[in-house]
Amino acid sequence: DSGVTQTPKHLITATGQRVTLRCSPRSGDLSVYWYQQSLDQGLQFLIQYYNGEERAKGNILERFSAQQFPDLHSELNLSSLELGDSALYFCASSADRGLNGELFFGEGSRLTVL
Amino acid sequence: ELKVEQNPLFLSMQEGKNYTIYCNYSTTSDRLYWYRQDPGKSLESLFVLLSNGAVKQEGRLMASLDTKARLSTLHITAAVHDLSATYFCAVARGNFGNEKLTFGTGTRLTIIP
Repeated sequence: DSGVTQTPKHLITATGQRVTLRCSPRSGDLSVYWYQQSLDQGLQFLIQYYNGEERAKGNILERFSAQQFPDLHSELNLSSLELGDSALYFCASSADRGLNGELFFGEGSRLTVL
Repeated sequence: ELKVEQNPLFLSMQEGKNYTIYCNYSTTSDRLYWYRQDPGKSLESLFVLLSNGAVKQEGRLMASLDTKARLSTLHITAAVHDLSATYFCAVARGNFGNEKLTFGTGTRLTIIP
C-alpha cells in the first residue's frame, strides 16, 4: 500500500459526460501528479500540483482540468468525454523535501467511456 | 523532447534463467526510476538511481545507471514466476520537486515454469 488513495476505482460513463476523479496523497506529501495510462499512449504525464498551485503541465487536454485543495487532496475533472478518454488514471505523490524524487502511485481509477 | 525507449517490449523466459532489460533515453538526466506493474494494478517503485554508476540490488533484481551512455539496465537473476509483471523505467528532468517523469514503453515479462 503506497498510502495514496484514489476514488472511484472503476467508472463507466457515456460520451459527452463529465466525471471527477479524486486523490488523497500520502500524509505529508505536498506534490500530486496525475498520469494517464492507455494501451496506445502508454503512461503520459498530465499535470502536477504543489501545495495547491499548478507546477507543471504535460499532455493534458483542454477538456481536462485539475485542482489541489487546502487539505492537499486533488481532483481531476474530465469533461465532454470521448471514447478515446477510456484509460487508467493514476495519481501519485512525492515527499518533495529534497529527497530522491520518488513518486508513489495510487491504485488508479479505471474510466470506461461508452 | 525527452524520449525513453525500453527493449525488449516483451520477454518470455524460463525460470532459473538470467536476462537484462534495457532503458535508453535521449537527453541528459541523472535520475532514473524503475517501477513494476502487475496487470490492472498500480505502479510499485523498485529502484531509484541518482548518479552515474549507481547500482542497486533487491533480491533477484539489479539496476544500474550509466548517464554518459544514457542507459539503464534491469538485470534479472535466476528468474522465478513471481517476477512476471510489466517493468517500466522513468526518467526525470528538472530539479527535485518537479518530478515530471517520462516513462518508457514498458517491458512485459513472463516467466515460464
